[in-house]
Amino acid sequence: DAGITQSPRHKVTETGTPVTLRCHQTENHRYMYWYRQDPGHGLRLIHYSYGVKDTDKGEVSDGYSVSRSKTEDFLLTLESATSSQTSVYFCAIRDSSRNNEQFFGPGTRLTVL
Amino acid sequence: AQRVTQPEKLLSVFKGAPVELKCNYSYSGSPELFWYVQYSRQRLQLLLRHISRESIKGFTADLNKGETSFHLKKPFAQEEDSAMYYCALSGQGGSQGNLIFGKGTKLSVKP
Repeated sequence: DAGITQSPRHKVTETGTPVTLRCHQTENHRYMYWYRQDPGHGLRLIHYSYGVKDTDKGEVSDGYSVSRSKTEDFLLTLESATSSQTSVYFCAIRDSSRNNEQFFGPGTRLTVL
Repeated sequence: AQRVTQPEKLLSVFKGAPVELKCNYSYSGSPELFWYVQYSRQRLQLLLRHISRESIKGFTADLNKGETSFHLKKPFAQEEDSAMYYCALSGQGGSQGNLIFGKGTKLSVKP
């Protein structure tokens, strides 16, 4: 599993509340990613990071922000959650020592009521 | 535009039948193509990539640059192959190394 964990694994929240999801890795990889997975849409990139304090937007970044103050942690924040952000969120790392293969975390199931 | 198309949302076959999951792509450079698999409520994992030319769990996929396709095949499907399959592509290095996923095909193998 390339040492990737996500927390929380499940969360139910109400519309308008802030939510932060955490991705933690133990192998010092430079690239980290946040995706959301929705039926009929597959996986879509929200934001990614290419180093400490270096982040960039993905395909569906509106309503999301990220931070990476340490190599091992990549945080995804929903400033004011909406029902359209109900989804399964996956974190991933890119392993440059294994032909840039991406390894995924176990996912966080978020429900916004 | 960079795009991955998986035309089938659901593919249902009987055990022992051949399987082909279709993937077509659009990319202006030289992409690297992947197949990822997600078993029920598990994390995604790499099944195979075109540069390795391996056969994993009996699956193979050949990159056809003329048809811009990377179809996944298995001659005899097993019930344990039931899963969600995603085709993905990436470019070369930096942000070009980010993955672009198709919408996925759910494979159901019936006994």
